[in-house]
Amino acid sequence: QVQLQESGPGLVKPSETLSLTCTVSGVSVSSGSYSWSWIRQPPGKAMEWIGDMSYIGRGNYNPSLKSRVTLSIETSKNLFSLKVTSVTAADTAVYYCARWRQLQGLYYFASWGQGTLVTVSS
Amino acid sequence: DIQMTQSPSSLSASVGDRVTITCRASQSISTYLNWYQQTPGKPPKLLIYGASSLQSGVPSRFSGSGSGTHLTLTISSLQPEDFATYYCQQSFSAPWTFGQGTKVEIK
Repeated sequence: QVQLQESGPGLVKPSETLSLTCTVSGVSVSSGSYSWSWIRQPPGKAMEWIGDMSYIGRGNYNPSLKSRVTLSIETSKNLFSLKVTSVTAADTAVYYCARWRQLQGLYYFASWGQGTLVTVSS
Repeated sequence: DIQMTQSPSSLSASVGDRVTITCRASQSISTYLNWYQQTPGKPPKLLIYGASSLQSGVPSRFSGSGSGTHLTLTISSLQPEDFATYYCQQSFSAPWTFGQGTKVEIK
């Protein structure tokens, strides 16, 4: 069974960098059938896709966040990571990591972590 | 970006009711549409992918249909565990975008 678990600080100060890690079990992040994604959900708002990365290091980013986001993947530890720089209160959200799967030309978020609330506040 | 608009934003229904949720895309997305169910404090769960393909383990009372800009999720006979928020998400072109959600509440 595939499981994903986010970890990282729940409180970040404005202008600082938000850093989260997603540890994956039950499947290798090196699998060619998947990309590894980050999605966030601000309180009371729609979910927003942040970006994703495959094991070969090819990343796709939401243009709305691209200038502030860095994604990385560590195959030796079977995890992937997110960094968002220069955060503001607008970055307060529940952050999810997810497995983006391709099946017969169709794409979907097949598995999700439990989510972690990150609050930006001084 | 492709905008996804769900309707209604919320609805009240009784156990056994047939429920339909609509998702409209700002441009044609063919059948590149996924549906998720979310209960409070839990992550979204995939129900339907490719507009109409049922994810393994999901009850057959859930079904999806449509293509282009108008797609729907139907629950044929609402069960107590189905009271949740439902989201559509397009996978036609990046950035992948979600609807704002439809909350299904108990009448």
